[in-house]
Amino acid sequence: DAKTTQPPSMDCAEGRAANLPCNHSTISGNEYVYWYRQIHSQGPQYIIHGLKNNETNEMASLIITEDRKSSTLILPHATLRDTAVYYCIVCLYNQGGKLIFGQGTELSVKP
Amino acid sequence: DARVTQTPRHKVTEMGQEVTMRCQPILGHNTVFWYRQTMMQGLELLAYFRNRAPLDDSGMPKDRFSAEMPDATLATLKIQPSEPRDSAVYFCASGSGLAGLEGEQFFGPGTRLTVL
Repeated sequence: DAKTTQPPSMDCAEGRAANLPCNHSTISGNEYVYWYRQIHSQGPQYIIHGLKNNETNEMASLIITEDRKSSTLILPHATLRDTAVYYCIVCLYNQGGKLIFGQGTELSVKP
Repeated sequence: DARVTQTPRHKVTEMGQEVTMRCQPILGHNTVFWYRQTMMQGLELLAYFRNRAPLDDSGMPKDRFSAEMPDATLATLKIQPSEPRDSAVYFCASGSGLAGLEGEQFFGPGTRLTVL
């Protein structure tokens, strides 16, 4: 499975956009990019995923570069409740859904 | 609001005792995952099932851990005998298993296990 690289921590001002980068330079054509977050002491929460097109849902937007070697998760208007660890994971298509969590990015949203 | 439920939420036991953790996946989901989280190792996948059959349990210590799905509404993770190094939060997750959505998993609140 492809590995991902994320910065260990980031800060963001409340109300501003939070842009969380992820590098997955060895991703293969049949691997999706998934984003999860984990708020302290809770179970991880699915945010969004994509293959090669940009995606948007009610929680966030996912921008994937054309070569698919990196992506950015965008929280358009971060709130204090978005403070969490964010995980970028690649997942093989049609192979059962095996997720390998890395260390993630600890996002702190500050007032 | 469909959710994954896990019991117990907290468990304190002594070394050598058997521990059983239970998970009720979301109704209709056919894939179930067990994860373990510690400060040192982070989130680790232990095992997962599709349609109640084990797909991969390579992340699980075989000598003391066992995972089963007696039926579609119940998954169990057992540790026998338990050791202090098993202290962790154990998460269960379930998913629809649909092609292209395999990685979309819904996690339970976890079982916090402390082995003294």
